[in-house]
Amino acid sequence: GAVVSQHPSRVICKSGTSVKIECRSLDFQATTMFWYRQFPKQSLMLMATSNEGSKATYEQGVEKDKFLINHASLTLSTLTVTSAHPEDSSFYICSASGHPSSTGGLNTEAFFGQGTRLTVV
Amino acid sequence: EDKVVQSPLSLVVHEGDTVTLNCSYEVTNFRSLLWYKQEKKAPTFLFMLTSSGIEKKSGRLSSILDKKELFSILNITATQTGDSAVYLCAVLANQAGTALIFGKGTTLSVSS
Repeated sequence: GAVVSQHPSRVICKSGTSVKIECRSLDFQATTMFWYRQFPKQSLMLMATSNEGSKATYEQGVEKDKFLINHASLTLSTLTVTSAHPEDSSFYICSASGHPSSTGGLNTEAFFGQGTRLTVV
Repeated sequence: EDKVVQSPLSLVVHEGDTVTLNCSYEVTNFRSLLWYKQEKKAPTFLFMLTSSGIEKKSGRLSSILDKKELFSILNITATQTGDSAVYLCAVLANQAGTALIFGKGTTLSVSS
């Protein structure tokens, strides 16, 4: 099946620093990538939708200057948490969507990256 | 507003029991419904359902979709402690490139 790789899986950073999370589609071209955030014991909440070569679309309440998303190629999207604060500590997950012909017909919305657990101290 | 509702929110059973998890939805331009299992990391894909009445099976897990009544169930037979997890239901609506709409999940605990 389609593979989405997310890195790092775990990161601890100091308050005020920035952290970059990468999401790669390994065997298909991802025209759209989605970034989710999950707090403990809660479901996934969509943060933003990222289309290759254009600006990301952020959900209401998500600060675009704080959560910078770049989707410069068809296989890579990055989420940068800028000036991180302890309240940004969370589990961040990406998923990717590709054109059916490039994924062997698989519906790639079904596959997620491994997730990144961010702890800001 | 599109929404996905799962029930129950939590469930405790003994090993060997059979459980049924429910997911109802109200979305515009429904495309498919997906079930995931989530332990302490990213969700793991279980099933994707697009057509009504066709059961999908994988080992002790099975799922079916009713597009008329707008719901799906996930069955787990002969439960094991390893089945303990949060089970997420999500719906894909509208055109390609749209994000999934998630329910709040059902937390299943299987005791030995």
